[in-house]
Amino acid sequence: AQSVAQPEDQVNVAEGNPLTVKCTYSVSGNPYLFWYVQYPNRGLQFLLKYITGDNLVKGSYGFEAEFNKSQTSFHLKKPSALVSDSALYFCAVRDLMFSGGYNKLIFGAGTRLAVHP
Amino acid sequence: DTAVSQTPKYLVTQMGNDKSIKCEQNLGHDTMYWYKQDSKKFLKIMFSYNNKELIINETVPNRFSPKSPDKAHLNLHINSLELGDSAVYFCASSPVLPGQGSYEQYFGPGTRLTVT
Repeated sequence: AQSVAQPEDQVNVAEGNPLTVKCTYSVSGNPYLFWYVQYPNRGLQFLLKYITGDNLVKGSYGFEAEFNKSQTSFHLKKPSALVSDSALYFCAVRDLMFSGGYNKLIFGAGTRLAVHP
Repeated sequence: DTAVSQTPKYLVTQMGNDKSIKCEQNLGHDTMYWYKQDSKKFLKIMFSYNNKELIINETVPNRFSPKSPDKAHLNLHINSLELGDSAVYFCASSPVLPGQGSYEQYFGPGTRLTVT
């Protein structure tokens, strides 16, 4: 079965420090991977995606993610965290078992990022 | 300009009632989705329509019925509401073309449904 896992319920980081939010995936084929952020009482916002090409993907708000095929991971990173980055982060993978080419996504359980001043 | 909008934002109702949530997108996308986010923030797809045609129908009770009058609208009707239906429901859209699943999805602000 295809799945995506976010092993940490919460990540705590001091402002100015680098942050990493972890994501691992399991798919039967080449993965399409996505990161979304959800601020309180808001919908999900797209941050970045990996489809093919360079393993380091740059996205919105200074975030980047590194695709690692051997470790089946797609960790989200940022060199210097801001208090305003505090939110819920979701990793997602396209369900390759779904036919028709439509973009059915499987989401991880989410990781709450708390950045402290 | 609101890309994906949902109404209402909050919906409080009693068990057994029937209610609808509306979704509209002005992005010109062909594909729209409904997701349910439970109290633990777990997000799961319910339905998807492509140009008014149902393409994803997860194991959702028959009490939930999506309706797409045109490709810019995807409404969700829920019959005989139950306590367990309390959740946040998100609408989303994406410019998917058949055979190309690489497009991101754009989400609405959500509708918080509370069934008492």
